[in-house]
Amino acid sequence: EIVMTQSPVTLSVSPGERATLSCRARQSIDNNLAWYQQKPGQAPRLLIYGASIRATGVPARFSGSGSGTQFTLSISSLQSEDFAVYYCQQYHDWPPFTFGPGTKVDIK
Amino acid sequence: EVQLVQSGPEVKKTGESLRISCKGSGYNFANYWIGWVRQMPGKGPEWMGVIYPGYSDTRYSPSFQGQVTISADKSISTAYLQWSSLKASDTAIYYCASQVETPILGAFDLWGQGTMVTVSS
Repeated sequence: EIVMTQSPVTLSVSPGERATLSCRARQSIDNNLAWYQQKPGQAPRLLIYGASIRATGVPARFSGSGSGTQFTLSISSLQSEDFAVYYCQQYHDWPPFTFGPGTKVDIK
Repeated sequence: EVQLVQSGPEVKKTGESLRISCKGSGYNFANYWIGWVRQMPGKGPEWMGVIYPGYSDTRYSPSFQGQVTISADKSISTAYLQWSSLKASDTAIYYCASQVETPILGAFDLWGQGTMVTVSS
């Protein structure tokens, strides 16, 4: 099973600022990485797949980068609706698909 | 509208059996993998397994193999998650998820609303 880690655990950001979230895989997963956003009481929402491809309807302020073992999700200018928990998930080697533990983005 | 609609919340006792469902609509249900995800209270999501309804090809996460059964009935566009003997530790929200636009298995872009399962003694 491929273990995923994320940092930081919590990121406090002011609206309008940039947020940068990190995700690391214990072994190479090429670019087989997705990012999800989850708000309280809601299902996860796919933001990014293929490490850098935005899913349909995802605003351009979300961008993903990285390959191999190190990945980044950037939110260029945080909006109020972006405060949520963000999970990375690998699909390189399955079963199982594995999620990271999440990064909570909250208001500074 | 393309959507997954899950069955309602369940309150059960330890040792009881349970089957929850996830009905797809607005797309060709049989042709897309559909998976189940557990989210325990205050925790992150965990993949339990996936099924391809067209062939009933099913793959389980090792952590859930033997603990649950995943099935699907393509004739009614419905996937199921089943337990034969519930434990208190099965208390969680369960999501089904599929992918209808992303071309790569593993990036799930369509999610159900979740089913809360509460198990008590």
